[in-house]
Amino acid sequence: KAGVTQTPRYLIKTRGQQVTLSCSPISGHRSVSWYQQTPGQGLQFLFEYFSETQRNKGNFPGRFSGRQFSNSRSEMNVSTLELGDSALYLCASSLVGTSGGKETQYFGPGTRLLVL
Amino acid sequence: GDSVTQMEGPVTLSEEAFLTINCTYTATGYPSLFWYVQYPGEGLQLLLKATKADDKGSNKGFEATYRKETTSFHLEKGSVQVSDSAVYFCALSDQGGSYIPTFGRGTSLIVHP
Repeated sequence: KAGVTQTPRYLIKTRGQQVTLSCSPISGHRSVSWYQQTPGQGLQFLFEYFSETQRNKGNFPGRFSGRQFSNSRSEMNVSTLELGDSALYLCASSLVGTSGGKETQYFGPGTRLLVL
Repeated sequence: GDSVTQMEGPVTLSEEAFLTINCTYTATGYPSLFWYVQYPGEGLQLLLKATKADDKGSNKGFEATYRKETTSFHLEKGSVQVSDSAVYFCALSDQGGSYIPTFGRGTSLIVHP
């Protein structure tokens, strides 16, 4: 079974631009979560999508948004990029996600975003 | 709110040494506890988990026991290898709360031959 895939793996943008990242979950998984990982703040939860609906949201500004498609693939968008948005963005999938709390999340390799 | 505290790293050990990485947590509900490992350039991989008090999670020689009385979930391995060099994250998901997964800051482990 193929794992979680993320594209692109690396991205360089300039301040003020916007960016869209993509995540394809493991086949059959309906929950997709996004995380931001930085040396300063560690791993922070952005949001979770389940069946095309945002089910949970972390403490990030509205510039960070996402969506999920009917095939469970998810995209994350960051508008008006700031230098502080430079990070590794990780996507994780699971069968049903947060409804159980015990479920294992499977992470992709991440997209490394550099904002200049 | 929920939080996870891990020991600061890096932890530097010689091959075959005993490893302990401390993790303590605070949670409002009844959390499940996890250890994830991140190798350079990769995403996180689940190493082990425990879903209730006194459960022991184990995988690849690593173990951790869910201690509710001390709110701890320390990671141990009896004999580390160079290939264990990575960053280790302790995490919780709070089944009784609103559920936003909470991760520790990560502990870097460096194992020398």
